[in-house]
Amino acid sequence: EPEVTQTPSHQVTQMGQEVILRCVPISNHLYFYWYRQILGQKVEFLVSFYNNEISEKSEIFDDQFSVERPDGSNFTLKIRSTKLEDSAMYFCASRGSGGEVTQYFGPGTRLLVL
Amino acid sequence: DQQVKQNSPSLSVQEGRISILNCDYTNSMFDYFLWYKKYPAEGPTFLISISSIKDKNEDGRFTVFLNKSAKHLSLHIVPSQPGDSAVYFCAASARGGTSYGKLTFGQGTILTVHP
Repeated sequence: EPEVTQTPSHQVTQMGQEVILRCVPISNHLYFYWYRQILGQKVEFLVSFYNNEISEKSEIFDDQFSVERPDGSNFTLKIRSTKLEDSAMYFCASRGSGGEVTQYFGPGTRLLVL
Repeated sequence: DQQVKQNSPSLSVQEGRISILNCDYTNSMFDYFLWYKKYPAEGPTFLISISSIKDKNEDGRFTVFLNKSAKHLSLHIVPSQPGDSAVYFCAASARGGTSYGKLTFGQGTILTVHP
């Protein structure tokens, strides 16, 4: 069964450093998403991406964040200068085309900023 | 942002009995609802969904009920099994406009099924 994969599973970084989180969505999906979950809190939407551009972003997704689909398979989230409050689980999700609403999530990357 | 709320942080049920997880929403634009199950250190796994044109959807042991007038949905698991123990998230989507596809999640309910 196709699944969304994410690397790395864990990332520890120093405050102010750049991190890139990687995702491989399900191969025939066209819509891609990043969410995050701070420990003990809700899963929060960050950004959606379709047709090589951002279709929607939340207020969390400020200028420090960017997304890219550099090739036909990978979907990345970059945090330019990490802050302590960026520590969270980051989930990538994808969905198919047309009326399909269900999003399928990857296992997540646990990011710890020290 | 409290557009989707799961007011019960936890639920404990005996194996074989029914588990009922509840979810309320406030945004009238939501027209598609999903339930996800999550184990620790894993991503949310899709369980079942319902469109606002329906009031019930069933898939095996899982049934979701939607009451649009009350802006309330519930997930019923019958019979409950110990392997169902996990965190259950309710999520909602508003199709159309700029919110197409974005999911808004509730806080989650920790379900524990005792043998």
